[in-house]
Formats: sequence, structure tokens, C-alpha cells
Amino acid sequence: DVKVTQSSRYLVKRTGEKVFLECVQDMDHENMFWYRQDPGLGLRLIYFSYDVKMKEKGDIPEGYSVSREKKERFSLILESASTNQTSMYLCASSTRDYLQETQYFGPGTRLLVL
Amino acid sequence: QQQVKQSPQSLIVQKGGISIINCAYENTAFDYFPWYQQFPGKGPALLIAIRPDVSEKKEGRFTISFNKSAKQFSLHIMDSQPGDSATYFCAASDGITGGGNKLTFGTGTQLKVEL
Repeated sequence: DVKVTQSSRYLVKRTGEKVFLECVQDMDHENMFWYRQDPGLGLRLIYFSYDVKMKEKGDIPEGYSVSREKKERFSLILESASTNQTSMYLCASSTRDYLQETQYFGPGTRLLVL
Repeated sequence: QQQVKQSPQSLIVQKGGISIINCAYENTAFDYFPWYQQFPGKGPALLIAIRPDVSEKKEGRFTISFNKSAKQFSLHIMDSQPGDSATYFCAASDGITGGGNKLTFGTGTQLKVEL
């Protein structure tokens, strides 16, 4: 079974703190994604990566950065957390195979910024 | 800019009834249309998916209907059960973005199946 794990299920941070969200997948997938999920807005793509040390902006990258130093690990960084970044953050991974487009999601990290 | 529009936002269906969720898209380059199911406290998981070379795909009680000319697709859940209560997301991909399969998601439908 594909497994995508996220470092924390719940996080509480203060405004202005630097926040790291970690994601690890065990299926040797090339692609990894970070989404945020908000009620009524669905899943919105923050950043994605097709390979190690490679990253591309998604639809809402402002206020976020990412790091992918190893194939299995994709980190989301909030440089200076703000209250409007309170959300559920979901990590996903997939193969690069065009015919195997399933994205496998982690359980999510619920972040509260006070 | 919302490229995939999903409705309704919430849906209540009686046990045994049919649940229908609709999505519409604008980008004619989209060529892969999955539906994801999310239970509380879990990440979304692929439920069923279709490519535009067919108009319908059925897997058990779940069916995707696809209308290429109208740029619409829908999920039908037959004989809905309380265990189907979850949030459902439609999505679309053009498969040509970099390494492929960057998904654009709809806003989600919260389905509740009542006894």
C-alpha cells in the first residue's frame, strides 16, 4: 500500500513564526504536491515538485516555500505564519506515468495560527 | 479563476436513493477526470476516474457520466448508503503540464446519507 505520512496532525503556531510541514512517501513517486483545504474552496495547489530539487508554483504560492532535497520527502515552509494561513494542509504524491495519474494523499495537518 | 465548478455544495439523500454531483469545466485541454472521496480526518482517496474517449464509466454503485460537448461530468451513487457519507471532489487534469497529472479540484460536495 502506498503510504504518505505527514509529520503532524495538529499544529498551533504564533503569528510571525516560521513553520515547517513535512511529508514523506514510501512509493518512490516522482511527483509530490502540497494543497490547502478550506471549506467552500476545495483543494488548492500551493506548490508541486516533479523531481528532487525541482519545484513549481501552484495556484496560491504566496507566503509559502518548499524544499525537496530527497525524492521521498517534500517540505512546506511558511516563512512568517499569518492568521490567514490557518487551514488544513494536505500532501500528495504520484508517479510520473501519464496513465497512472492517481494522487495519494496523506491524512493532513490542521494548522492554527494565533 | 475557478476552472472546475462543482455543485451542489451539500447534499442529503435517503438510504437507497441516488446521489448526483455535477461538475463543469472550461479548459478543453483537460483529458482526465477523477473523483476523490474524503472521510472526516482522512485525506482524499481516488474513487473513480474517466477519460473523454468514453461517455460513462461504472464501478459498482458509482458511475461517472461525461458530456464532452457540454464540458460537464457527474458522479452518480446508486443505492446510497450511510457509509457513503463523505466529501466528494471532482478534478481534472490536462496531463501535459511538466511531468503530468497536476489536478485542478472542484470545491467539494458534502454528502450525507440518512437512514
